[in-house]
Formats: sequence, structure tokens, C-alpha cells
Amino acid sequence: AQSVSQHNHHVILSEAASLELGCNYSYGGTVNLFWYVQYPGQHLQLLLKYFSGDPLVKGIKGFEAEFIKSKFSFNLRKPSVQWSDTAEYFCAVKSDSWGKLQFGAGTQVVVTP
Amino acid sequence: EAQVTQNPRYLITVTGKKLTVTCSQNMNHEYMSWYRQDPGLGLRQIYYSMNVEVTDKGDVPEGYKVSRKEKRNFPLILESPSPNQTSLYFCASSLGRGEAFFGQGTRLTVV
Repeated sequence: AQSVSQHNHHVILSEAASLELGCNYSYGGTVNLFWYVQYPGQHLQLLLKYFSGDPLVKGIKGFEAEFIKSKFSFNLRKPSVQWSDTAEYFCAVKSDSWGKLQFGAGTQVVVTP
Repeated sequence: EAQVTQNPRYLITVTGKKLTVTCSQNMNHEYMSWYRQDPGLGLRQIYYSMNVEVTDKGDVPEGYKVSRKEKRNFPLILESPSPNQTSLYFCASSLGRGEAFFGQGTRLTVV
């Protein structure tokens, strides 16, 4: 079955530390890849997306993600986190053939001052 | 402003009392869907619609109904809510391969 796996459920780190969140998917065909962020009490907002081209994608708020096709991965990174990055992060995959978004279970990130 | 609007934002109801959560988008998107979000499970798709009068089951459709009579609206209907439907619900819309835009969410409690 098609699935999306996020490696960590909870991450706690200090301000200025670097962040990397893992995401792997099991789709065999062409995919579109997304990272969404959900701040406490809010809806999901798009951080970045990958459709084709340069596998290193830059998004908002200093986030970037790298698509590695051979590893079926789309890991999210930020070199230096801030307290305001405390949120839940979701990886999502959309197969090229239709519009369904398949989500990972999410990673809760807590940044301590 | 491009947006997806859900109502209500919060709802407490009793078991068995029919309810409807409305969803409307102003972006002329063809694809709309409903998700429920539960701790540790991420977002799971309930139903989706690829266009007017075209709807289909997602991953967790039991206990829910939807309709798509107009392109902009995609209401979620719980005919006989049960406590296991207590959850945070999100409506989303998208255009083809593009990103999904999400509503603000509806927190439903069934007692």
C-alpha cells in the first residue's frame, strides 16, 4: 500500500540548533511532494513543494527540502531554528495521476528558548 | 482573498444528532476533500470530490456523507455522530497537481 513515513514523532531542540525532519514515501510513479506546517491552534500552511527540476527546494521561513528519488525521500531542513518554529510538521505526497494528498503522521517540533 | 472557509469552528453535540459542517472555497478549484486529524495519526482523508457531482470515499469514510452540488461547496454530513468521530476536521481544495489549501478547521466533540 502507498504510504508516507515521518521518522520522528517528537523533536525538542534549542534555538539556533539545526533541524532535519525525515520523510519517506512508497509511491512508485511520479509524485509531487509537500511539507506543511501547523502552528498551535491553526490550520495547515504550505512550507514548500517539489514538482520537478532542482531537487533542492527552498520554502518560506528559511526552510528547505531535498528530494532524493533513489531513496524515496524528501527531508526538511532548517539551519537555525527559532522559538516561533514550534509547530507540527507534515510531509505529504500527491501522485501525479490524481489529486489525493497522502500525509505522514506528523512531527511535533518544540524549540526551547 | 483566496481562502477555504469552514463552519462552525467548534461544535459540541450529542450522539445521534445529525450535523453538517460546511466548506466553501473561492478559488474555482475542482478538487475538494475532507480530512480528520487525530493525535499520532496525522491527517486521514474521509471523502474527496474531483468535480461537481463526483465524490468518492477516502481512507476513513464510515459514518460520513458528502455532497458536491456546486463547485465551491463541499459539506460534510454526520447522519448519526458517535464519540469516535470526535476529532479535528479540515476541508481542503486544490487545482490538479497543485498544493492543497486548507480551511481553519472544525473541532468536533461528540458526547
